[in-house]
Amino acid sequence: KAGVTQTPRYLIKTRGQQVTLSCSPISGHRSVSWYQQTPGQGLQFLFEYFSETQRNKGNFPGRFSGRQFSNSRSEMNVSTLELGDSALYLCASSQGVGASYNEQFFGPGTRLTVL
Amino acid sequence: GQQVMQIPQYQHVQEGEDFTTYCNSSTTLSNIQWYKQRPGGHPVFLIQLVKSGEVKKQKRLTFQFGEAKKNSSLHITATQTTDVGTYFCAGGAQKLVFGQGTRLTINP
Repeated sequence: KAGVTQTPRYLIKTRGQQVTLSCSPISGHRSVSWYQQTPGQGLQFLFEYFSETQRNKGNFPGRFSGRQFSNSRSEMNVSTLELGDSALYLCASSQGVGASYNEQFFGPGTRLTVL
Repeated sequence: GQQVMQIPQYQHVQEGEDFTTYCNSSTTLSNIQWYKQRPGGHPVFLIQLVKSGEVKKQKRLTFQFGEAKKNSSLHITATQTTDVGTYFCAGGAQKLVFGQGTRLTINP
């Protein structure tokens, strides 16, 4: 089976812009979770989608949003980018809902740099 | 909110030495997961522990879940250069809360 894929792998944006990141889960996985990884804050949970519905949400401002399509592919959007949004954004898929109960299969991540 | 703390933050060992990382949660966990992230890579699932006092082994890796289900540890016996990376514990109710990780470097 192909692993989790994320596009783009690298992105450079300027403050105030918005960005959309894409994630394709492992075939058959219906849950997609998003994480932000920074040197200072570590790995932080953003949100989880299952069957096109957001099931759980982390402590991030409303500028961070996501959605999931009927084929389980997911996108996350960050609007009005700030310098602090520079991070590695990781997507993970799993078979069941509830990231804390299911093995997370991570993608390679999208490295976002905000200038 | 729930916090998961991990120590030490860094550990440098000689190849062949043992390594241990400890994980403590501010709340009781239903289960705990462990991940490894190689430099430049993404986290890879190692194991999930569910039962109080559970001990699981994977070759040279031994994972323990505390009796109170608030702490866990990962012990690597006789480290090898392939063990280099950052080890994370993670747990939570629905949302997965990660520890800050322990970065292991090894002198060959």
